[in-house]
Amino acid sequence: ETGVTQSPTHLIKTRGQQVTLRCSSQSGHNTVSWYQQALGQGPQFIFQYYREEENGRGNFPPRFSGLQFPNYSSELNVNALELDDSALYLCASSLDITGVNGYTFGSGTRLTVV
Amino acid sequence: DAKTTQPTSMDCAEGRAANLPCNHSTISGNEYVYWYRQIHSQGPQYIIHGLKNNETNEMASLIITEDRKSSTLILPHATLRDTAVYYCIVTLIQGAQKLVFGQGTRLTINP
Repeated sequence: ETGVTQSPTHLIKTRGQQVTLRCSSQSGHNTVSWYQQALGQGPQFIFQYYREEENGRGNFPPRFSGLQFPNYSSELNVNALELDDSALYLCASSLDITGVNGYTFGSGTRLTVV
Repeated sequence: DAKTTQPTSMDCAEGRAANLPCNHSTISGNEYVYWYRQIHSQGPQYIIHGLKNNETNEMASLIITEDRKSSTLILPHATLRDTAVYYCIVTLIQGAQKLVFGQGTRLTINP
């Protein structure tokens, strides 16, 4: 079975620009979560998508938004980029909404905002 | 979500058992203990989880104390590839399960 794949792996953007990050969930997984990991810190929960609807959100402003598609893949969009948005963005999928059997994480997209 | 406390770093010799402690003294009755690890430049990897009973899988064993206020992750025969940051997470099993990652324990396996 394939794991979680994220694209691109690295990205450099200018402050004020917009960015879209993509995630393909593991085969058979219907729930996708996004996390932000700043350098030297643990990942922080951004939001979760289930059945194409946002199903929970962490402490992130509205300029962080997302989508989930019928094939369960997902996008993370960030508008009006700030320097502090520089981080590793991780996508994680789970078999169901509870995540009881654990989440499968991708290797992430490293975003640098200059 | 309950908070967890883990040592910042630990060392272990290759081939020996690595025992990683986690304190979660404020855990509630329906919260599970999960362990993930993150190898450098990769996303976190699920290891194991439990509620009350001890658990074992192909990767590790999880020992939870009877009062559930602490737990220990055991890697029975550590290899160099087990060098990683290990996160102990306490969470409810519910919709929109949010994993709250702390600083974790940086485990270094020495040859």
